[in-house]
Amino acid sequence: RKEVEQDPGPFNVPEGATVAFNCTYSNSASQSFFWYRQDCRKEPKLLMSVYSSGNEDGRFTAQLNRASQYISLLIRDSKLSDSATYLCVVSDGGFKTIFGAGTRLFVKA
Amino acid sequence: SAVISQKPSRDICQRGTSLTIQCQVDSQVTMMFWYRQQPGQSLTLIATANQGSEATYESGFVIDKFPISRPNLTFSTLTVSNMSPEDSSIYLCSVDPRGADTQYFGPGTRLTVL
Repeated sequence: RKEVEQDPGPFNVPEGATVAFNCTYSNSASQSFFWYRQDCRKEPKLLMSVYSSGNEDGRFTAQLNRASQYISLLIRDSKLSDSATYLCVVSDGGFKTIFGAGTRLFVKA
Repeated sequence: SAVISQKPSRDICQRGTSLTIQCQVDSQVTMMFWYRQQPGQSLTLIATANQGSEATYESGFVIDKFPISRPNLTFSTLTVSNMSPEDSSIYLCSVDPRGADTQYFGPGTRLTVL
C-alpha cells in the first residue's frame, strides 16, 4: 500500500462545477497535512494546510479525518485557472514528507 | 515564504557525465531538501541537507551517486554523477523556512540524459 494515495483522475469538469478530491494516508502518526498545486512544467506550490477542524480559503475547503486517515479538498465554482495537478502531502513532523502522486483536474469552458 | 532559484533550469547531458545543480535561497534556512520528479510521477525525496553536516539520504539514494554540498545557510548543490538515461527527471530543491513542514520549491532543473 502506498503511504499516500490519491485518485489520479483526470477529472474533467465544466466551469462552475464543484469537484472533490480524496486522499488517504497509511501512517497514523502523521502530524501535518497539506494540499499543493502543480501546474504543468512548474514547481509545486502550497495551496493550503489541512487542519482537523477543517479550513476554508475562498472557493477551497480542506478537511481531515484522522480516524479514517483521510483528507479531502473541495473546489467550488471551478475556474479555468484551477486546471492543474493537486498533490496531497503528509508529514510526520520530523521532516519526513510524503507526496501523493497527484490528481489531475481539467476545467473546461 | 522564500524565493528560491535553481541553476541550470534545464540541461541535456551525455551518458556517463555529471551535472551539478545549484539552489539559492533569499533567506537563511536550516534545512534544504532535494527531490526528484520523474515524468508523470510525483516527488520523491532524495536527501535532506543541513548546513555543516552530512546530508541524510533516503532509501534508494546514495552519496556516491548524488553528492550534496551545503556550504552555508542560503545555498546547496546536488550533483548527479555518472548519469544514465534513467536519471532523466526534474530535480527540485525546497526549503521549510518556518519549520512548520510547509515547503517552498525552486523552479526545478529539467535534466535529459542521452
